[in-house]
Amino acid sequence: DAGVIQSPRHEVTEMGQEVTLRCKPISGHDYLFWYRQTMMRGLELLIYFNNNVPIDDSGMPEDRFSAKMPNASFSTLKIQPSEPRDSAVYFCASSLMGASTGELFFGEGSRLTVL
Amino acid sequence: AQSVTQPDIHITVSEGASLELRCNYSYGATPYLFWYVQSPGQGLQLLLKYFSGDTLVQGIKGFEAEFKRSQSSFNLRKPSVHWSDAAEYFCAVEYGNKLVFGAGTILRVKS
Repeated sequence: DAGVIQSPRHEVTEMGQEVTLRCKPISGHDYLFWYRQTMMRGLELLIYFNNNVPIDDSGMPEDRFSAKMPNASFSTLKIQPSEPRDSAVYFCASSLMGASTGELFFGEGSRLTVL
Repeated sequence: AQSVTQPDIHITVSEGASLELRCNYSYGATPYLFWYVQSPGQGLQLLLKYFSGDTLVQGIKGFEAEFKRSQSSFNLRKPSVHWSDAAEYFCAVEYGNKLVFGAGTILRVKS
């Protein structure tokens, strides 16, 4: 079975450019999570969806960040405009029953470098 | 606020030696606790989880963890480390259907 698929794996862009990260969750999973990993702050939850609906976006750093889940098999995380401090590895994870009772399956991450 | 503390940033052990990675949590109610492992360039993988019941839980790859409520701890152990265990290990607590992760412990294995 295919796991969580993220693209691109690596992205290098210049400050001010728009960045779009993509995620395909495991089929049948109702929960999707976006995390950001940096050396300074570790793993931070940005937002999570249940049945395509955003449930908690309190971790989204600012208005430059937005996330959508137009259907059960696709989600995007967009940064516009990007800044050097956005450089990080962004992980998408999906889960059948959510974090409280189940296991999160992580993708391999998208490493973003903003110059 | 719910938090997880992993006091050791790096740990180095010899292959074949035993391992214990420390994790302390801050949570008012009975916690749901997890250990994840991250190999370089990879996503996180669940090693084991504790919800209730037996305080000693078994996981994959020969790992186990013990929940101690009196010490607010959930330490990860393995009796004999293999070189392939070199990775970063994260302890996490569930809160509001979200996972809050610790800062991680990098495990190095020397031959």
